[in-house]
Amino acid sequence: NAGVTQTPKFQVLKTGQSMTLQCAQDMNHNSMYWYRQDPGMGLRLIYYSASEGTTDKGEVPNGYNVSRLNKREFSLRLESAAPSQTSVYFCASRDPGTGVNEQFFGPGTRLTVL
Amino acid sequence: ELKVEQNPLFLSMQEGKNYTIYCNYSTTSDRLYWYRQDPGKSLESLFVLLSNGAVKQEGRLMASLDTKARLSTLHITAAVHDLSATYFCAASQGGSEKLVFGKGTKLTVNP
Repeated sequence: NAGVTQTPKFQVLKTGQSMTLQCAQDMNHNSMYWYRQDPGMGLRLIYYSASEGTTDKGEVPNGYNVSRLNKREFSLRLESAAPSQTSVYFCASRDPGTGVNEQFFGPGTRLTVL
Repeated sequence: ELKVEQNPLFLSMQEGKNYTIYCNYSTTSDRLYWYRQDPGKSLESLFVLLSNGAVKQEGRLMASLDTKARLSTLHITAAVHDLSATYFCAASQGGSEKLVFGKGTKLTVNP
């Protein structure tokens, strides 16, 4: 049971390049999330998906798109990267059944945009 | 709109001392979460507090929730170096899918 996995772990992009961050979970969770973490800012929600086939904007969605490919996978795409998108990106999934609503986090992707 | 504030943001303490981190939230929240993050690592769940008066303890850490005051505390007892990390609280509102995080408290425990 790997939990939440993310690829890649590190990435350097030039301004204007595109890339997709991948996230997968094997815990049979319905809900999945993408956050970014910047120094002194805590975690801010970019997009989330309450179930397969649905996605919704979070606090900071501009410049990003997402795809909920199936129940396991939720990807984050940067179409034209900007230096302001330099950050650490975390994917998370949520346990649906216990009522606790605890979120479990992946290891993160460190992205630098030059 | 739910907002979460933590204080202090930075905390340097000596081994063996006690201290408390505070987490205030702005509107009614039905759940409060505490996470730990080590440098360069992901977030690890510490506590989930589900009701007013809830108290949970794990080792030298104890978390409590006062929903009337909209306040959660994370109390550290007899700190040790291994507790050095950043601690985040997060709240959710009314069954919302979304968590709102505080900015984190960076704790450094000095020998």
